Amino acid sequence: KNEVEQSPQNLTAQEGEFITINCSYSVGISALHWLQQHPGGGIVSLFMLSSGKKKHGRLIATINIQEKHSSLHITASHPRDSAVYICAVAGTASKLTFGTGTRLQVTL
Amino acid sequence: ETGVTQSPTHLIKTRGQQVTLRCSSQSGHNTVSWYQQALGQGPQFIFQYYREEENGRGNFPPRFSGLQFPNYSSELNVNALELDDSALYLCASSFGGRGGYTFGSGTRLTVV
Repeated sequence: KNEVEQSPQNLTAQEGEFITINCSYSVGISALHWLQQHPGGGIVSLFMLSSGKKKHGRLIATINIQEKHSSLHITASHPRDSAVYICAVAGTASKLTFGTGTRLQVTL
Repeated sequence: ETGVTQSPTHLIKTRGQQVTLRCSSQSGHNTVSWYQQALGQGPQFIFQYYREEENGRGNFPPRFSGLQFPNYSSELNVNALELDDSALYLCASSFGGRGGYTFGSGTRLTVV
């Protein structure tokens, strides 16, 4: 079992829909990161969470430390949101452990 | 404030050759981590450098080695390339290995 599991693996939505991507992890963490990766490969950091909830524009990220679970929500989705969304956790060691990502496609 | 720059962006090498990938860290960051991302997979941790010393290593063989320079830029060297080394290599900088990470756009390595 992977230390970081994401669901769903693939997601297709119509423009305007509310989207939720889930992340579960099995190790103790100091922080959880939500990242966005576009087809060219570059990764953009969206959020870093250690508790509670953060919001940036149409993106909302929540984390429940007791349940070892985090969610990324996109409100009013748009085709430009199409990308791979990756959850990564920072444990006690210095590395990030990544999930395999959720491929999101938003259509008109 | 500059971001993380990786070079080259694309590279094709022959099996058995050696390759060096480069990464400049974001201004103010002193830690660089390297990751390998195979097609359709999440990135896997290779190693991290903090103040010019290796500070953690993933499950990669010794033919993967690195350096960090006094300006905190870093190199990843891979010797005796194998076909399975074909991947996107990502570099991320941070301050002290904690907090926010800034990622580069990656180097796509193809071994033929």
